[in-house]
Amino acid sequence: SQQGEEDPQALSIQEGENATMNCSYKTSINNLQWYRQNSGRGLVHLILIRSNEREKHSGRLRVTLDTSKKSSSLLITASRAADTASYFCATDLSGGYNKLIFGAGTRLAVHP
Amino acid sequence: GAVVSQHPSWVICKSGTSVKIECRSLDFQATTMFWYRQFPKQSLMLMATSNEGSKATYEQGVEKDKFLINHASLTLSTLTVTSAHPEDSSFYICSARVGGATDTQYFGPGTRLTVL
Repeated sequence: SQQGEEDPQALSIQEGENATMNCSYKTSINNLQWYRQNSGRGLVHLILIRSNEREKHSGRLRVTLDTSKKSSSLLITASRAADTASYFCATDLSGGYNKLIFGAGTRLAVHP
Repeated sequence: GAVVSQHPSWVICKSGTSVKIECRSLDFQATTMFWYRQFPKQSLMLMATSNEGSKATYEQGVEKDKFLINHASLTLSTLTVTSAHPEDSSFYICSARVGGATDTQYFGPGTRLTVL
């Protein structure tokens, strides 16, 4: 089962522009994580934000979490062609489930 | 950092045969391992959760007799796709977790299964 939805489903931008992806989820969480996946490859863990955190930064990445709206956003600043990939949010459900449920993902294309 | 490997990385088989995929945690002991499947251009769908020495817990809609999971040791879990059919063709990804926190969950590189 999938917990969340992401929008947009696809995003096409030029190098140097910022890319924003959104993730919404349905139930209470312990944390939310963002992953990146290049076509046909494995997952790369980008960042984790806990339910008691509102914002987190890592290099060119900025993640926000609004638990009242059950939503998160991932901002990639000054995008590069190498950022072209699919990005997924994954929620760690609270209540002792201890498993990650992935959102539908956003396919990002950054054009030189 | 913690490394999870999968073997094979890709496999092609004929319809009706069974295929086994291995997931190993190389430098840590994994109390829990997870199996996901991913169809082209789609997200990862959790199939099952397995704890070492006990039966796997399958997600709703996943056929346990079709997808056999064995977690025989703290470093190895296997997924066997029995009597594979073309609709089972997919990308299978495992992940391994230390303890009870998902922030210590590590993903394997995936196995691409093609059933002819």
